[in-house]
Parts: sequence; structure tokens; C-alpha cells
Amino acid sequence: GAVVSQHPSWVICKSGTSVKIECRSLDFQATTMFWYRQFPKQSLMLMATSNEGSKATYEQGVEKDKFLINHASLTLSTLTVTSAHPEDSSFYICSARSPAGDGGETQYFGPGTRLLVL
Amino acid sequence: GQNIDQPTEMTATEGAIVQINCTYQTSGFNGLFWYQQHAGEAPTFLSYNVLDGLEEKGRFSSFLSRSKGYSYLLLKELQMKDSASYLCAVRDSNYQLIWGAGTKLIIKP
Repeated sequence: GAVVSQHPSWVICKSGTSVKIECRSLDFQATTMFWYRQFPKQSLMLMATSNEGSKATYEQGVEKDKFLINHASLTLSTLTVTSAHPEDSSFYICSARSPAGDGGETQYFGPGTRLLVL
Repeated sequence: GQNIDQPTEMTATEGAIVQINCTYQTSGFNGLFWYQQHAGEAPTFLSYNVLDGLEEKGRFSSFLSRSKGYSYLLLKELQMKDSASYLCAVRDSNYQLIWGAGTKLIIKP
């Protein structure tokens, strides 16, 4: 099956610093990737849709200047949390849309990145 | 508005069968997905339905009725490792995934 990796898996940082999270599709090209955030015991919340070679589409209420998304290649999207604050502490999960023909363009998820801002 | 409804929590016994229902109201329909999410981990893909009927994959089956806006995930021969949240998601006419809140399944010995 399709494999999506995320790096790092854990980040602990001080308030005010920036954190970059990488999402890679390892065995397929993904023109579209998605970034989610999940707080404990809550459902997934879509933050933004990342399209290769173009600007990301952000969901309502998500600050585009705080959560910078770059989808520079067909296998890599990055999410940068700028000037992180404790309320940004969460589980960040990316997913990549597989090409058509594989379950109808299924989204495959990376393992997630836990961010703890002190 | 668009919404996906599924029970918040269900309990079942090891070795038994459980059915998790999902009803949806979305603007358009381009497929329904079931994902499994263990606590503290990312979701993993279980099944995809776009036509009416039953799709079987080992111990797991998923059913879809588009006219009723209804799907279920059937888990047979339950094992303790099946304890997880099960997420129903529908792809709408804009090809966006609309997520349900998930059903937490508790398996008891």
C-alpha cells in the first residue's frame, strides 16, 4: 500500500520558536496533500489543502501566516508553525492523495507529529 | 450544511460481531471511506465504497446505500486489537473529505 512519512514524530520547543514538519509520499506522487490537527479525544480537523506548485487552501479560522505550507515537489509538503505558542500544542497529521485507480484516490496518512510548546 | 453522523462510542465482546453505522448529508457524493485510528496514532485506511452494496475485506466489511445516505462498517471475530476509533468520511462534489467525529469501539474480553 501507499506509504506516507512524517518528520519529526515528536517536537518540544520553546514558545516563540518556529517548527517545520515534513510530509513525504514515499512510493507515489501526490499532487495534493492535506494537513490536519487533532487535539486529545477530538476528531480530525482539516487545516489546509496543499497543492503542488500552487498556494495552499486554508480552512476557515486557520491563520495562513502562522501555518506556512509549501508543496514544492510531488512527494514533499512542509508545514511550518511560526512563533509557536502553547495553544499550538497538538497532534499534526498529514495525508497524501494517491493517484486514481487505487481505491478511488484514497488519502493515506502519515504517522503524525506531536508538538509540545512550552 | 454537510454532516456525518456516527455513534460516539460502542462496546462489544471479543469474538463477536459489531456494526458501526454512518449516515451522511453532503453536497454531492464521490465515495465513502472508513478509517481506523488507534489512540495516539494517525488514521489508517480500511475501506472505500462508491457504489451501493457490500465490500468485504477479511474480517471487515463496509456497506453503502447512496439513496439512504447510509453506510456501515461490520467487524467480525472481534479481537482486542480492534479497540480503536473508526472514522467515516465522505468525499463531496468538490472532492473534499467530510469527516465524522468517529466511533470509539471498546472490546471487552
